[in-house]
Amino acid sequence: EVQLVESGGDLVQPGRSLRLSCTASGFTLGDFAMHWVRQAPGKGLEWVSGITWNSGTIGYVDSVKGRFTISRDNAKNSLYLQMNSLRVEDTALYYCVKITGTTGIWGQGTLVTVSS
Amino acid sequence: DVVMTQSPLSLPVTLGQSASISCRSSQSLEHSDGNTYLNWFQQRPGQSPRRLIYKVSNRDSGVPDRFSGSGSGTDFTLKISRVEAEDVGVYYCMQGTHWPLTFGGGTKVEIK
Repeated sequence: EVQLVESGGDLVQPGRSLRLSCTASGFTLGDFAMHWVRQAPGKGLEWVSGITWNSGTIGYVDSVKGRFTISRDNAKNSLYLQMNSLRVEDTALYYCVKITGTTGIWGQGTLVTVSS
Repeated sequence: DVVMTQSPLSLPVTLGQSASISCRSSQSLEHSDGNTYLNWFQQRPGQSPRRLIYKVSNRDSGVPDRFSGSGSGTDFTLKISRVEAEDVGVYYCMQGTHWPLTFGGGTKVEIK
């Protein structure tokens, strides 16, 4: 079965760090650009970060630049998001997403709650 | 950044009737490689989003042919023919041509 499974979400205090992971199965993650998309409670979708198949191009939404770092390990079929200096406004369900290609895939999401 | 503007915000539809959602981008979505990376996603209540349409008009596997996408440049449309109860949810357009990728604000489809 083709799927993406995220993990690493948690309740943390402002200023702390978290590392999200995403593991792919049923396809070769290394063949595709991959992305993190988040959805704050009751809100719409927001692209957070993306990385091309060979890590040659990496991008971030302005609100996370300098705080979040995306990376991948194609040998492990995995995608990561290192989140530092977390803010209350980073609270959201974070999805790992394959957007390109003939099959789009979304994970079930991992919840990040930033609160004191 | 490319701004994606969807309309309407809310779309009440009668079962069996058609529905159309508009998506406009602040700049052309035609990539230098000749493709136009405009996607449509559906998010049913309580579920993860799923991609319906990629590159303007290509349906994902398993997506009913009641869903169709069209458009070019900066103007795009998602049409749902013969709306069914399972189509209730929020629909988003998203451009993948220019980084950062950007989503429209969403259109909530509900049954009258």
